Amino acid sequence: QVTLRESGPALVKPTQTLTLTCTFSGFSLSTSGMCVSWIRQPPGKALEWLARIDWDDDEYYSASLKTRLTISKDTSKNQVVLTMTNMDPVDTATYYCARASYSSSYAVDIWGQGTMVTVSS
Amino acid sequence: QSVLTQPPSVSAAPGQKVTISCSGSSSNIGNNYVSWYQHLPGAAPKLLIYDNNKRPSGIPDRFSGSKSGTSATLGITGLQTGDEADYYCGTWDNSLSIFVFGTGTKVSVL
Repeated sequence: QVTLRESGPALVKPTQTLTLTCTFSGFSLSTSGMCVSWIRQPPGKALEWLARIDWDDDEYYSASLKTRLTISKDTSKNQVVLTMTNMDPVDTATYYCARASYSSSYAVDIWGQGTMVTVSS
Repeated sequence: QSVLTQPPSVSAAPGQKVTISCSGSSSNIGNNYVSWYQHLPGAAPKLLIYDNNKRPSGIPDRFSGSKSGTSATLGITGLQTGDEADYYCGTWDNSLSIFVFGTGTKVSVL
């Protein structure tokens, strides 16, 4: 069974750096065709794709957030970490990590439950 | 601002059918597979359709997908109150080299 779980601070101050960890099980990021993405949803707004890291270390970032995002993986721990610098109240959102795989043509197929992050002083 | 456009809302009576459109361009829908997601309140989004028209295991055949040119459509037949949710299309965009979601559509069962 594939599961993903997000963890990180529920509250961050403006200008701080957010670090979120995705811990997963049921698959390995060292397996060809596996990827982990981060997606967020501000309250009352649509889903927004943020970043993806692939089994072969390829990284992809949202064009509008590219300068603020870094995604990395620790295959031995089954974890993917997303850092977002210079947080702003508009970054308040539920952040999801999710798997994408070759078997679904890289559609996001399994999602974590999400973690709510509020940016406020 | 999403590059994939969906209607803000659709509605129908229980048992009826709704369709949700997703309009894109040649850099995304026109040359890539489309997926669809259901987002129930308070839950994680769920993959309903991938590769334009394939359903993951466990997704009932009341849900169907299709694609033509630079547009895609999700259909839901036999509408149930449990289908009330937000629905999103998604696909890769070759120009932006990112995955993009649609603007989202709220389905209401009258």
